[in-house]
Amino acid sequence: QKEVEQDPGPLSVPEGAIVSLNCTYSNSAFQYFMWYRQYSRKGPELLMYTYSSGNKEDGRFTAQVDKSSKYISLFIRDSQPSDSATYLCAMSATSGTYKYIFGTGTRLKVLA
Amino acid sequence: KAGVTQTPRYLIKTRGQQVTLSCSPISGHRSVSWYQQTPGQGLQFLFEYFSETQRNKGNFPGRFSGRQFSNSRSEMNVSTLELGDSALYLCASSLAVASGLNEQFFGPGTRLTVL
Repeated sequence: QKEVEQDPGPLSVPEGAIVSLNCTYSNSAFQYFMWYRQYSRKGPELLMYTYSSGNKEDGRFTAQVDKSSKYISLFIRDSQPSDSATYLCAMSATSGTYKYIFGTGTRLKVLA
Repeated sequence: KAGVTQTPRYLIKTRGQQVTLSCSPISGHRSVSWYQQTPGQGLQFLFEYFSETQRNKGNFPGRFSGRQFSNSRSEMNVSTLELGDSALYLCASSLAVASGLNEQFFGPGTRLTVL
């Protein structure tokens, strides 16, 4: 079993829809939970991150962490065609570490 | 500020050959990490270098090696290439803070195809 599981999609939604992207994990030591966005032929870029449990909001994006269920989510409100990309969750267990564990990524397509 | 650059962007090699990939981090970043990205496995951590020393290593065979130079630029080498080494190889640089999240900035990757 992988440490981090993520539905690969692809996920197609109409413009303006609310998108929910999710990851589950097995290592209870994870403390930092990150979401990266990767456009075609580009490297991943950090969208947002959460430390420990709770929610974090940034514009149209909301990240949620439920450590009791070992489940994290990224919500995108009012989705736009420019949001079409692969979204990767990533986690790390200790402060200052560089060894991130990534999910396989979910491909999202927002249709105009 | 220039981002992370990787060269070459595309490579085609045959089985048994070796390959060297290069990464130039963002100016001022002292940590460089390497990842392999494939459709089935996603991003997998290869290793991380800081001040010319390998600090962390993932679960890859010894055919995968790397080094970092005094200017923080890094190279990754894969010897005796196998078909399964075909992947996107990503380099990421970071400021290397002692605590908190070390935000990693990724380059565009080198697409390696092994025939």
